[in-house]
Amino acid sequence: GENVEQHPSTLSVQEGDSAVIKCTYSDSASNYFPWYKQELGKRPQLIIDIRSNVGEKKDQRIAVTLNKTAKHFSLHITETQPEDSAVYFCAASSAGGTSYGKLTFGQGTILTVHP
Amino acid sequence: ETGVTQSPTHLIKTRGQQVTLRCSSQSGHNTVSWYQQALGQGPQFIFQYYREEENGRGNFPPRFSGLQFPNYSSELNVNALELDDSALYLCASSPPLDSWALVFGSGTRLTVV
Repeated sequence: GENVEQHPSTLSVQEGDSAVIKCTYSDSASNYFPWYKQELGKRPQLIIDIRSNVGEKKDQRIAVTLNKTAKHFSLHITETQPEDSAVYFCAASSAGGTSYGKLTFGQGTILTVHP
Repeated sequence: ETGVTQSPTHLIKTRGQQVTLRCSSQSGHNTVSWYQQALGQGPQFIFQYYREEENGRGNFPPRFSGLQFPNYSSELNVNALELDDSALYLCASSPPLDSWALVFGSGTRLTVV
């Protein structure tokens, strides 16, 4: 089955700096890579996702890059703000047909943005 | 606000007991998935239901079972509870116009003592 490794496990940055979180996956059939943000005691929220037919996607201060050959993808947050502090999870899936619901998650990265 | 609601929010059970957790999705969300999130870890896929049939299962024993109903609600049942079953249980479904984007409910925090 799919295995997703996520690094680093903790990341501390100063407000305004950039943050980068990296994930690798094992299953070459995976074609969907979402990123979720989870604040303490709350549900995971989808912040950005990318499908295997593109190499990069950007949404304001957040971007995701995908390298299918190397089987890794990364989350980039620019101009970080204290409210970006949370746990971030990457995930991978071989979505299609009726199988959209099975995500394999990484272990999570605790991001702390210091004012 | 997300279209996925779960009940109860918190639950305490004794080892060996059985528990039923509930989830309600918006109309048109044909797929529902359940995840277990232990403290400090990422969610782990339990199983998925599509049109009331199990459609994929993760590495969980048969004492974890589920149901999906025609009104887009679903249940997760766990028999013979063990201490390690203590976790946040998350239900998720996909909006019909964007099946790739999984939306999670707020979860049920289960504590087994």
